[in-house]
Amino acid sequence: GQSLEQPSEVTAVEGAIVQINCTYQTSGFYGLSWYQQHDGGAPTFLSYNALDGLEETGRFSSFLSRSDSYGYLLLQELQMKDSASYFCAVRDGRTDKLIFGTGTRLQVFP
Amino acid sequence: DAGITQSPRHKVTETGTPVTLRCHQTENHRYMYWYRQDPGHGLRLIHYSYGVKDTDKGEVSDGYSVSRSKTEDFLLTLESATSSQTSVYFCAISEGGTHNEQFFGPGTRLTVL
Repeated sequence: GQSLEQPSEVTAVEGAIVQINCTYQTSGFYGLSWYQQHDGGAPTFLSYNALDGLEETGRFSSFLSRSDSYGYLLLQELQMKDSASYFCAVRDGRTDKLIFGTGTRLQVFP
Repeated sequence: DAGITQSPRHKVTETGTPVTLRCHQTENHRYMYWYRQDPGHGLRLIHYSYGVKDTDKGEVSDGYSVSRSKTEDFLLTLESATSSQTSVYFCAISEGGTHNEQFFGPGTRLTVL
């Protein structure tokens, strides 16, 4: 089957660093993506890893290890506006469709 | 921001009535998707389209049908709405099937009484 697992909730304080993990199981794999969604809003694309290693985009970084079927999103210098839900997603190699995790709700406290 | 609109944004209907949700894009992207989002389930794919008149089922397609007669419009129809179809529906678009970045519309909140 196809499944993704990520923690349901993470809390942190402003200025801190937080890591959101994602483990996946799919019949094929074309890459791991991360999306951010604020309450009442639409998901927005953050990052995409097709190969192993770390990709950095400003305060956000995303990591992938294909051999471990594992990735994470790293958020640095947390700000209040980072409070949102974060979804990992993988492209299933057999169907070519995106499969989303159930999301991690990040709460940033002052 | 990608030009994607959804209509209506909110709808309340009764069990057994047909409902059609519309997604309109101005980006000329080939791929369009319909998802539903429910607490504890994340985003689940209902149907998607890879071109005009070309559609395929997602993981939760039962009770839904779609049509795409023009590149810019993708319609989702609930033939006979049920309370289990109360949800937030998102449309998304992407440039290509191997491109992981999808752009989402603002969503439609549907309540079936």
